[in-house]
Amino acid sequence: QQQVKQSPQSLIVQKGGIPIINCAYENTAFDYFPWYQQFPGKGPALLIAIRPDVSEKKEGRFTISFNKSAKQFSLHIMDSQPGDSATYFCAASYYGGSQGNLIFGKGTKLSVKP
Amino acid sequence: NAGVTQTPKFRILKIGQSMTLQCTQDMNHNYMYWYRQDPGMGLKLIYYSVGAGITDKGEVPNGYNVSRSTTEDFPLRLELAAPSQTSVYFCASSDREYGGYTFGSGTRLTVV
Repeated sequence: QQQVKQSPQSLIVQKGGIPIINCAYENTAFDYFPWYQQFPGKGPALLIAIRPDVSEKKEGRFTISFNKSAKQFSLHIMDSQPGDSATYFCAASYYGGSQGNLIFGKGTKLSVKP
Repeated sequence: NAGVTQTPKFRILKIGQSMTLQCTQDMNHNYMYWYRQDPGMGLKLIYYSVGAGITDKGEVPNGYNVSRSTTEDFPLRLELAAPSQTSVYFCASSDREYGGYTFGSGTRLTVV
């Protein structure tokens, strides 16, 4: 119930394409869903986050879509660029559970070809 | 504006040796975390702290120890290093109970 399942494991798209990364969870108590971006040799950095009271959130070229009934959420990257090549992690947490510690997916390695 | 600083960046240990991974943050965050990252496995929580003097185990605490004597520092101690502890270790901090973690740049540890 504590797992966050992320797919695909890796993804290759052409510049300008729209990569989509999906995550699914079981625990309905989760109420915070962030995405982190990690470049090689660096720590993960918060990219965008959503709470279950909204179905979509956009920040620049990055969009989170959230489906509460299906217990799924996804990251879309519009007009992807080679500089977006990185590993992306979804995560989830809930208030009151282990002090709300984030549970991470296993990551998706994205390559954007020029 | 350093954020979360981890030292060392790289270290090679022999089996059975001990070492301390250092983590310090200058954002006055109460919450601090240690994660390990293995290829294809995501980030696993080792230990966390909700404030000075308070620590608790995460998902994979065996073989590790922590202390939190100040708000700024959260060192991770490895006793009797084993090859299974070869990994990249990340320290993170947060100013609220969930979300918005700031990560350090990591320590790559190899146990041989």
